[in-house]
Amino acid sequence: AQTVTQSQPEMSVQEAETVTLSCTYDTSESDYYLFWYKQPPSRQMILVIRQEAYKQQNATENRFSVNFQKAAKSFSLKISDSQLGDAAMYFCAYRSAYAGGTSYGKLTFGQGTILTVHP
Amino acid sequence: GAGVSQSPSNKVTEKGKDVELRCDPISGHTALYWYRQSLGQGLEFLIYFQGNSAPDKSGLPSDRFSAERTGGSVSTLTIQRTQQEDSAVYLCASSLVSAGTSNGELFFGEGSRLTVL
Repeated sequence: AQTVTQSQPEMSVQEAETVTLSCTYDTSESDYYLFWYKQPPSRQMILVIRQEAYKQQNATENRFSVNFQKAAKSFSLKISDSQLGDAAMYFCAYRSAYAGGTSYGKLTFGQGTILTVHP
Repeated sequence: GAGVSQSPSNKVTEKGKDVELRCDPISGHTALYWYRQSLGQGLEFLIYFQGNSAPDKSGLPSDRFSAERTGGSVSTLTIQRTQQEDSAVYLCASSLVSAGTSNGELFFGEGSRLTVL
């Protein structure tokens, strides 16, 4: 079974600064997807960024970028020019790319990191 | 609808009562997932539907929990004889396709917060 670990229960950053959230995972599969989701107090899970394991290039979405280290099974999220609206809980998640087995596209989540942004 | 809709948004019930939580996925999404999020915790997978069938029920914590989906659309999660440990936010997500595709984004609803007194 796959596991996802976020070792930082809480992080804080000053507005306009950069912060990195850590995530490691464990899997025996070679093809999979990794995600970062944001959950504000509204409880809505919002997809921030997605990485396909077969791609060597790190994904980037505006101020959000990842550092994907497949061999180390590490997938960190960097938020540049942090804004007050970035404050939320962030979840790292794993999804198998295989059609067979019992994964059925379900996401396996880490425990989350609460990000506080100070003005 | 435009997004995944869940109801009720909040539910307070007494221990021992039954509750039903509803999820209305995005139109046309064949895959539907239920997750549970306890206070300050990550998301725990409960059950997966493909159409009206549930090939993966492995996350249901006990036989007090059941779910169904009708017409390949709306799903209902039922908790019988609720216990205090059932208090959590129950999140529903839907997806256009299931595992093995290149676009696996799951779209989440805002969840139903259940409080068992």
